[in-house]
Amino acid sequence: GAVVSQHPSWVICKSGTSVKIECRSLDFQATTMFWYRQFPKQSLMLMATSNEGSKATYEQGVEKDKFLINHASLTLSTLTVTSAHPEDSSFYICSAPTSGLLYEQYFGPGTRLTVT
Amino acid sequence: TQLLEQSPQFLSIQEGENLTVYCNSSSVFSSLQWYRQEPGEGPVLLVTVVTGGEVKKLKRLTFQFGDARKDSSLHITAAQPGDTGLYLCAGPPSNDYKLSFGAGTTVTVRA
Repeated sequence: GAVVSQHPSWVICKSGTSVKIECRSLDFQATTMFWYRQFPKQSLMLMATSNEGSKATYEQGVEKDKFLINHASLTLSTLTVTSAHPEDSSFYICSAPTSGLLYEQYFGPGTRLTVT
Repeated sequence: TQLLEQSPQFLSIQEGENLTVYCNSSSVFSSLQWYRQEPGEGPVLLVTVVTGGEVKKLKRLTFQFGDARKDSSLHITAAQPGDTGLYLCAGPPSNDYKLSFGAGTTVTVRA
């Protein structure tokens, strides 16, 4: 299957600081990527759709000023958690479709964010 | 409210036994995907089913898509400890492209 990487795999930051998470498609180009959040023992919740060269589309209830998404190239999307708080601690996962079938997504390994 | 309901939530069986996980919805889906996720990792795509009534086999795993495209099942034959993980069904409702996920089924296969 297609390979999607994320960096870092885990990060600990202090409350009030910002953290950037990178998502890369390694062997294909992705004009669209997706960002999910997963709490312990729960399923994935879509946060936003990242579109190369244009603004991201956020799901209802997701603060776009807090979770900044930039899709600067066909292989890289970044999620920046600004002014992080302990309640932002979670497992963040990105995904990308390899073809025109947007629903057939390949997921990155995830980034564990802990805000102290 | 989740569009996709998975059952059971937890499943613990002995190596060699069979198991079935169900994914149901009142909505029609243009396709359904099954993923397996291990702790601390992202979900790995197992299969996509597209056609109502479709059956796909992947070694010991059999996936079915209901005729009305509202439900799916995953059957594992002769389960092995390596099958342990969180199984997630997901799909785009017929009027959308975004994936809606089920709550997941945690499968534990004891050696």
